Amino acid sequence: GNSVTQMEGPVTLSEEAFLTINCTYTATGYPSLFWYVQYPGEGLQLLLKATKADDKGSNKGFEATYRKETTSFHLEKGSVQVSDSAVYFCALGRGATNKLIFGTGTLLAVQP
Amino acid sequence: DTAVSQTPKYLVTQMGNDKSIKCEQNLGHDTMYWYKQDSKKFLKIMFSYNNKELIINETVPNRFSPKSPDKAHLNLHINSLELGDSAVYFCASSQVPAGDGQYFGPGTRLTVT
Repeated sequence: GNSVTQMEGPVTLSEEAFLTINCTYTATGYPSLFWYVQYPGEGLQLLLKATKADDKGSNKGFEATYRKETTSFHLEKGSVQVSDSAVYFCALGRGATNKLIFGTGTLLAVQP
Repeated sequence: DTAVSQTPKYLVTQMGNDKSIKCEQNLGHDTMYWYKQDSKKFLKIMFSYNNKELIINETVPNRFSPKSPDKAHLNLHINSLELGDSAVYFCASSQVPAGDGQYFGPGTRLTVT
């Protein structure tokens, strides 16, 4: 079946450090891939997306590339800020219903 | 303008009660969803409606009943609430088929005592 595996957190970084949050997926066919961010006490916000192999999604300094050969969609940012502290969810969507299957989420804590 | 809104934001109730959560979207999307987020932040889809028609019904107790009066609204009614129903419930909407992803509401934190 379809599934998403994310690295476990929490991930604790100092401000301006480089961020990588790993995400791999299992799916038949060609799903769309997403990263969502959830700030404390808020709902999920779509951070970036990619709909086909080799697509790169980017937003607010975050990037992720759809790698079909490694079934991965790792999230990266070159220089994190305290305001990036949140829970990050990798997700895949497929089928006519666009049902989203989420990873378990990774808590990022950025210290000044 | 709020794209996806939910009411109430917080809901505290006793076991055995019946409660409803309402969701509205003003994005013009055809499809709406309900997700449950547990205390460990795990998110799981419960239901989805496309143009008022149920298209996803995951393994959810039949105490949970969604209703979509029109494509901009999707409500969730829960009968005979149990302690294990305590969670954050998120509504979302999208166009289908969608590479644009889903847009989520702010969530309703349900606490059953």
